[in-house]
Amino acid sequence: DGGITQSPKYLFRKEGQNVTLSCEQNLNHDAMYWYRQDPGQGLRLIYYSQIVNDFQKGDIAEGYSVSREKKESFPLTVTSAQKNPTAFYLCASSARTEWGQPQHFGDGTRLSIL
Amino acid sequence: DQQVKQNSPSLSVQEGRISILNCDYTNSMFDYFLWYKKYPAEGPTFLISISSIKDKNEDGRFTVFLNKSAKHLSLHIVPSQPGDSAVYFCAASASMSGNTGKLIFGQGTTLQVKP
Repeated sequence: DGGITQSPKYLFRKEGQNVTLSCEQNLNHDAMYWYRQDPGQGLRLIYYSQIVNDFQKGDIAEGYSVSREKKESFPLTVTSAQKNPTAFYLCASSARTEWGQPQHFGDGTRLSIL
Repeated sequence: DQQVKQNSPSLSVQEGRISILNCDYTNSMFDYFLWYKKYPAEGPTFLISISSIKDKNEDGRFTVFLNKSAKHLSLHIVPSQPGDSAVYFCAASASMSGNTGKLIFGQGTTLQVKP
């Protein structure tokens, strides 16, 4: 079945450590997105990519980095510079970054501080 | 600055009755609106959308209404079923945002449908 796979489901980070969250899609979608969800808040955009080897910062990019070397993969690294990384992270994709294209989401990764 | 607001954190309705979830927005450039449904420990699932050229869109038990002058949209679920119990997010985008596909999400409303 086509879909978006995020791994791991749960992740723990030590102080000063970088961690990488995986996102893979087999929907042949061009665009991919990373969101962060905190309790009682909506989803906030961290980074997005419209095409391979290109990506742009979203609203809360500080302390995060991404790469888009393959169409199907868009990993997110939470660096030690992100001082409050505990959150639920969601990856999404859409056929095109155009008006009227719904985004399809993975099941998320919950990141916690040790 | 919360551009998309869902002012009701939770809603409880009886099975078979109507559920009405509300969403307000402040940015008049928004012209495409979506509703997503989310179960615990899962990603949001796209439910229904509406463009600003319409004021109503219907899909089975789900209808979305858009009032552009009031900058308000609502999702109606009729009849409500226990399986509809979930968190509902509304989201908005602007076609003039440089074709980024960027969505702005509300905080979500938790719907509980009681048997």
